[in-house]
Amino acid sequence: DQQVKQNSPSLSVQEGRISILNCDYTNSMFDYFLWYKKYPAEGPTFLISISSIKDKNEDGRFTVFLNKSAKHLSLHIVPSQPGDSAVYFCAALDGGNTPLVFGKGTRLSVIA
Amino acid sequence: DSGVTQTPKHLITATGQRVTLRCSPRSGDLSVYWYQQSLDQGLQFLIQYYNGEERAKGNILERFSAQQFPDLHSELNLSSLELGDSALYFCASSASGTGGTGELFFGEGSRLTVL
Repeated sequence: DQQVKQNSPSLSVQEGRISILNCDYTNSMFDYFLWYKKYPAEGPTFLISISSIKDKNEDGRFTVFLNKSAKHLSLHIVPSQPGDSAVYFCAALDGGNTPLVFGKGTRLSVIA
Repeated sequence: DSGVTQTPKHLITATGQRVTLRCSPRSGDLSVYWYQQSLDQGLQFLIQYYNGEERAKGNILERFSAQQFPDLHSELNLSSLELGDSALYFCASSASGTGGTGELFFGEGSRLTVL
């Protein structure tokens, strides 16, 4: 049973445009959410996170939005750059009781 | 460079064999996590060790086992290998043993191919 779902396996966006990656979760005990980025032949690296007490967190070109009532979060990348092409994993934590639960990932391709 | 070192990077073996994957965490990190990424699957949590003791267990098969040594490096042992065990195995480390803010530092992974 997938507790963290990324329903879009892939996304293609033009350079300079906005990329929106979506993530849904089912466990209402999740209280902290993270996005990881993974390039080929590398391990995932932390990108940005958000606590459940917030609905938005911004870091440069990256913004994560959280809609708790819908159990949905999204990652916005503006403007998208070719170097952003990678697989993005959504992950969630339930107060530290269990290790990170990851989604299957979305492969983002930013086309120049 | 995350500071987490995994060896070997690639491993090809036959069904029924046994392999050991090794992980050295970031300096100072006490927690080591093992994750499996199979084709078209996300990162599946296998097991966590904190300062030498098992802290959490995920979907780890009975054919798999792990341990963390006094110097904090960890080994994941996979035995009676099956074709379906072919995957990327990631090790990650963190300073916290209880998940903290969840930020894990991942190694580059060990790609296991079972023929």
